[in-house]
This record gives sequence, structure tokens and C-alpha cells, in this order.
Amino acid sequence: GAGVSQSPRYKVAKRGQDVALRCDPISGHVSLFWYQQALGQGPEFLTYFQNEAQLDKSGLPSDRFFAERPEGSVSTLKIQRTQQEDSAVYLCASSSRAGVGEKLFFGSGTQLSVL
Amino acid sequence: EDKVVQSPLSLVVHEGDTVTLNCSYEVTNFRSLLWYKQEKKAPTFLFMLTSSGIEKKSGRLSSILDKKELFSILNITATQTGDSAIYLCAANTGNQFYFGTGTSLTVIP
Repeated sequence: GAGVSQSPRYKVAKRGQDVALRCDPISGHVSLFWYQQALGQGPEFLTYFQNEAQLDKSGLPSDRFFAERPEGSVSTLKIQRTQQEDSAVYLCASSSRAGVGEKLFFGSGTQLSVL
Repeated sequence: EDKVVQSPLSLVVHEGDTVTLNCSYEVTNFRSLLWYKQEKKAPTFLFMLTSSGIEKKSGRLSSILDKKELFSILNITATQTGDSAIYLCAANTGNQFYFGTGTSLTVIP
């Protein structure tokens, strides 16, 4: 696709519900990142994929957070039993490859509100 | 612990003013420093810096990196209301991008 696409744009969940956030990166991009951005803060790293391999998930805040990219393209971030502190914008970004000289292209994010 | 610190946290200026935004970093395996502009949700790319002392320019925006002192600055001259946004810097360590908290810039007419 022309850019990174995320859906839904907005998600309201009741506390305890499970949610799934989708990211469709730029076609052919090898690397895919998920970030969490709370109001007034910079993006905080959650997890990183190179193709279908999840190389780093050190930023996932708890075992309620799970991400996958089974075919090396579309990725899904799943949050189980949502809590109010999960409310944030979830940004997905992709780059053509890992390493030096690469820049991230961001999607418009999913704004999650947990009531 | 890898970290990126931006200052000031927020800034309010009048149209036509010149602003300087600061970004310092402490990361292992530093590769490059990137600047982004975030107006609504999606940060948009401004600059990538890999070498010290070489200024990059794009219109009224310019940026430079100092790898010895571990910082970068973003300058915006003759500011316009359309420059109002959050400016993020990020340090690339190869397969990780560490972001600062951003500087919120407001340009008033």
C-alpha cells in the first residue's frame, strides 16, 4: 500500500474486554514496530518484527499484550482483559529494512479508550 | 538504560520568531538521530542525521548532530502557525528507535 494503514482509528472498550488492533505496513517493508503513546508523552517501544520473526518484545508492559505477524506483512496487537491504564494511542511503524540509514514510516494510530 | 531527552517540553512563540529545539541521547550502538513532526497522530519524517557537524536543511528547518556531546538541535526560522506541532527526536540503535517525550511548539499569530 501507499502508506502504513491502521485500524480501527478509534476503539472504545469496557474494562476487561479483549481488543485487537491491526497494522498493514508499506508493501515490502521488512521491519515493523509497535509503539504506545500516552497523552503528552513520546512513543514508547512495545515490540519489533523483522519479517514474521518477533525479535524484540521487551516493551510489552504485561502478558496481557500479545503481537503477531504470521506472514511477515500485516500485524495484529492484541490486548487481553483491558485496563484503564491501557488507554493510549497505539502507533505502528514500518521500515524497509533494519539497521543504519533507515527511517520509520508511521500509521495514523489507533486511539484506545478503556472505560 | 537507553534514553533520549528533549527540551524544552513546551514552547510558545509568535509568528516570525526563531526557535531551537534540543535533543540529547544516551544509547548503546548509536546509528542515527531522527526528527519527526507530529501534528495529529502520525509522526512525519523531517531529518535523519548520521554524521557530526553536517547541517541538514529543508526550507526554514535545519538540524545538526554532535556525536561527541551526544545531542542534536532542530532550528525553525520565521515560524508560522502551521509549524505548531509536537517535535519528536529518536535515536536509532540498529533495530530499535528510542523516542524522547517531544517538544510541543505553539506558534501564535
